[in-house]
Amino acid sequence: DVVMTQSPLSLPVTLGQPASISCRSSQSLVYSDGNTHLSWFQQRPGQSPRRLIYKVSNRDSGVPDRFSGSGSGTDFTLKVSRVEAEDVGVYYCMQGSHWPYTFGQGTTLEIK
Amino acid sequence: EVQLVESGGGLAQPGGSLRLSCAASGFTFSNNWMLWVRQSPGGGLVCVSRIKGDGSDSGYADSVKGRFTISRDNAKNTLYLQMNSLRDEDTAVYYCVRDSGWSLDYWGQGTPVTVSS
Repeated sequence: DVVMTQSPLSLPVTLGQPASISCRSSQSLVYSDGNTHLSWFQQRPGQSPRRLIYKVSNRDSGVPDRFSGSGSGTDFTLKVSRVEAEDVGVYYCMQGSHWPYTFGQGTTLEIK
Repeated sequence: EVQLVESGGGLAQPGGSLRLSCAASGFTFSNNWMLWVRQSPGGGLVCVSRIKGDGSDSGYADSVKGRFTISRDNAKNTLYLQMNSLRDEDTAVYYCVRDSGWSLDYWGQGTPVTVSS
């Protein structure tokens, strides 16, 4: 299975400041169709995961533009330009290029 | 509006069985691969199983292969997961999830499964 490694695992951030989460895969996520199937999810306390980003950098409908995704191959990043209180939760990266799809361990974003 | 509503979770003894169901609405159910994803008490997310839109293909995580069976009834817009020979480590919240094409775009609210004697 493809191993997804996130860092940091805990991310205390001051309101209004930027935040960045790294995700690395144990093998390339470039699929045979030429796309890279790397997604990011947010899980707020007590809720189901919600997708924020797909195919590395495509934001889902309704996701604030302060969230952005980047990267290629095996190295990916989720950035929040200015953290708001509603961004508190756990963030997961997930690869969909190889079955089984696999998730990172999760990064807990909290307000400092 | 896409909705996925799971049911069937609960308490089971080690070695026992449970059958989870997921009622889907708001989209053409037969067009999408569907998955079961579980989240253990420690928080980790694991894709347990997936099934193609017409039911002709499926896949399992190694940890559940031979014990769990995924199926679907497209006439009833319902996804199932038959879980046999349950183990303590199967304790988790089980989510029904839609595959949008190598990604997961809609998640249900989850149904908790506890395996304990």
